[in-house]
Formats: sequence, C-alpha cells, structure tokens
Amino acid sequence: AQSVTQLGSHVSVSEGALVLLRCNYSSSVPPYLFWYVQYPNQGLQLLLKYTSAATLVKGINGFEAEFKKSETSFHLTKPSAHMRDAAEYFCAVSDHDGGFKTIFGAGTRLFVKA
Amino acid sequence: SQTIHQWPATLVQPVGSPLSLECTVEGTSNPNLYWYRQAAGRGLQLLFYSVGIGQISSEVPQNLSASRPQDRQFILSSKKLLLSDSGFYLCAWRDIDSYEQYFGPGTRLTVT
Repeated sequence: AQSVTQLGSHVSVSEGALVLLRCNYSSSVPPYLFWYVQYPNQGLQLLLKYTSAATLVKGINGFEAEFKKSETSFHLTKPSAHMRDAAEYFCAVSDHDGGFKTIFGAGTRLFVKA
Repeated sequence: SQTIHQWPATLVQPVGSPLSLECTVEGTSNPNLYWYRQAAGRGLQLLFYSVGIGQISSEVPQNLSASRPQDRQFILSSKKLLLSDSGFYLCAWRDIDSYEQYFGPGTRLTVT
C-alpha cells in the first residue's frame, strides 16, 4: 500500500532563507510523486511532479524537488523564501498501474517571517 | 483548457438539515472525479471518487453520499447534517495520463 509522510506540520523561515519541506513515501511500484500548494480558502494547485524522468524536478514559483529512491524521499526546496510562499504544502503519491487514488500527506504549513 | 466549478462557495446550515454541493468540470471528457474534505487544521480526507457516470466509490462510511448524473457533474449530498460535517469541501478531477489532480475553489461548510 502507498503512503506519504510529511515531517513537520509547521515550518517557519525568515524571508530570503532556504525553504526545505520534507516528504517520505512508501510505494510497491515506481511512484508518481507530486507537490501541491494551497493558499488560504483556495483549492490545491500543482507545484511540480516526478514521473521517473529526471530526479531533480523544477516547478513553479522557484520550487524544486529531488527524488531519492534510496531514501524514499521527495523533499521540496526553494533557495530564497518570499512572503508570498506562506501557504500549506502537500506531498502526494499515485500509483500508475491502473489505480484511481492519489494519496496525500497531512500537509506542512509554511510561515515566512519578515 | 480545463476548468472546475464548485458552488456554493460558503454555506451555513443547521444540524439535521440536508446538503447538496455541486461540482462541474469543463474542457475534458470522462474525467475521474473526487470529493475531499478538510477539517480545520487537518489534511485531505478522500470521501468519494467516480470513474464514470453512475459509478461511485465510497472511502469513508458516514452520512454523506455522492452521485454522478452526468459525465462532468459530481454531487455531494446529505440527508441530515452533523456538526462533524463542517469543513472545507474540495472537488477535483485527475488527468488519466499524467495523474495530475486539478482542484476546484472549494466550499466552506459550517454546520451550526
């Protein structure tokens, strides 16, 4: 069975500092991995995805994530945080062998301090 | 391009009243459709998904139900709301090739 664990329900960084949001997954087949962002009172938006091509994936708004099979991780990073990055971030995993569900992590709320 | 609509945006209902939330998708055909709920301060809970008209899979036994009367319409209902039904309800569809999910703007439901 697939699962996703996001380490840290809340992360706080200063503006201009590195953002690191951690995600570990479990999957019996090579997974498709995703990061989504949710701003207050809005739906989720896709930030980036990994689908077994390049292990370093670049997304929107300057975010990127690296797939590390040996560590079963897919951590999200951004070199320099902006105030507008304050939001909730969800890591997700989908099997791609005919299943219909995407499994979401519990989410990490990112706070950015001025 | 694809668009997903949800209404209403906000709803305040008394305990015991019925519920109907509607979701429609434009720009794609035969989408996989999903209903999620976010309780305050919590993650996404998958409630229902549908892979075709009239096909509904329930993930959590509760007093909610879902229906898909048309290809691009997905409805979430309840006959009698509970306080615990309060939350942010999100409709989504998933691209069958990329597995990316696209979410609607959500409905904030408060049961009083």
